[in-house]
Amino acid sequence: DGGITQSPKYLFRKEGQNVTLSCEQNLNHDAMYWYRQDPGQGLRLIYYSQIVNDFQKGDIAEGYSVSREKKESFPLTVTSAQKNPTAFYLCASSTVGRETQYFGPGTRLLVL
Amino acid sequence: EDQVTQSPEALRLQEGESSSLNCSYTVSGLRGLFWYRQDPGKGPEFLFTLYSAGEEKEKERLKATLTKKESFLHITAPKPEDSATYLCAVQGETQGGSEKLVFGKGMKLTVNP
Repeated sequence: DGGITQSPKYLFRKEGQNVTLSCEQNLNHDAMYWYRQDPGQGLRLIYYSQIVNDFQKGDIAEGYSVSREKKESFPLTVTSAQKNPTAFYLCASSTVGRETQYFGPGTRLLVL
Repeated sequence: EDQVTQSPEALRLQEGESSSLNCSYTVSGLRGLFWYRQDPGKGPEFLFTLYSAGEEKEKERLKATLTKKESFLHITAPKPEDSATYLCAVQGETQGGSEKLVFGKGMKLTVNP
């Protein structure tokens, strides 16, 4: 089955720790995105990538980093510089152009 | 700046009681308006894409319509399984190649049996 997978489903971060969220897709999509969802707020774009080895900052990139070494994979690292990381993180992918974005199941990040 | 406002924030319906959800938007050059359904603790599930004013799309009990300023998601004779949060998003003219979606805060629908 084609789709987007995210792991882990739940992730716990300690103070000063960097953590990495995984996102993989087998839809052959060129573009991938990371969004953050907080209660009572709309989804906000963290980073996006339209091609391998290239990515751009979204609206709230501070405290986050990404890489795009393979077309299928777009991992997100939440660094210790992100002071309020508790949120639901969603990965999405699409073909480049005026196309729908499809979402993964999400990772919930909690701070210990 | 592109903006999306959804109303109401929450809606309770009885099973079979039809209603509409509103999504108002301001965008510089609409490239697409998207509706998603999101269940608690899960990722958004795609419902519809609308590209131009006057366009309508249907899926089971749901029908989405689009004007130059807003979109409506009409729910006909809803069932309890339609209970979810419905998200609206717009994609405007690209800035530097971004395919960015701007989301509203969502509308939580509860359908009681």
